[in-house]
Amino acid sequence: AQSVTQPDIHITVSEGASLELRCNYSYGATPYLFWYVQSPGQGLQLLLKYFSGDTLVQGIKGFEAEFKRSQSSFNLRKPSVHWSDAAEYFCAVVGKGSGYALNFGKGTSLLVTP
Amino acid sequence: EADIYQTPRYLVIGTGKKITLECSQTMGHDKMYWYQQDPGMELHLIHYSYGVNSTEKGDLSSESTVSRIRTEHFPLTLESARPSHTSQYLCASSESSGDRKTQYFGPGTRLLVL
Repeated sequence: AQSVTQPDIHITVSEGASLELRCNYSYGATPYLFWYVQSPGQGLQLLLKYFSGDTLVQGIKGFEAEFKRSQSSFNLRKPSVHWSDAAEYFCAVVGKGSGYALNFGKGTSLLVTP
Repeated sequence: EADIYQTPRYLVIGTGKKITLECSQTMGHDKMYWYQQDPGMELHLIHYSYGVNSTEKGDLSSESTVSRIRTEHFPLTLESARPSHTSQYLCASSESSGDRKTQYFGPGTRLLVL
């Protein structure tokens, strides 16, 4: 079955520092991958997605992610974190069944310190 | 930006009550989904719909039911709420042609059953 692993439950970075959130997937074919962000008390907002083509994808809010098939990874990066980036980040992959429903990782909680 | 709405945003209710969580989207999307999210956990699919008069159960067993009488509306009902139903419920939708894989989420309903 398609699955996603986010190894880091919590990450703390200083404002202005760079950020990398890890995501590993398990999928037999080319995966359709997403990163979503969830602020407290809010729904999920799409940051970026990868379907095919260029393996470095740009998203909103200055985020980017790189698809690496050899490592089964889709890590999210940002060169300089802002305090407003503090949130929960979810990596997801489209499943094979259930009408293209998404399989989510458990999420990574980002804390930004002054 | 996605136009998908959920009401109520927060609901505290006693055991045994019947509740309906509303979800509406104005994007004309045929596919809609309900996910359940417990604190600190990933989202799990509980229901989905391909279009009007289509409903399917998701991967996570749920005592809730759904209906799809209109394209834009996908309500979720619990006939008799129990404390185990306490969770956050997120509604999403996606196109049925073009980009069929990207899902747009509503803000969620936080349910507390006492």
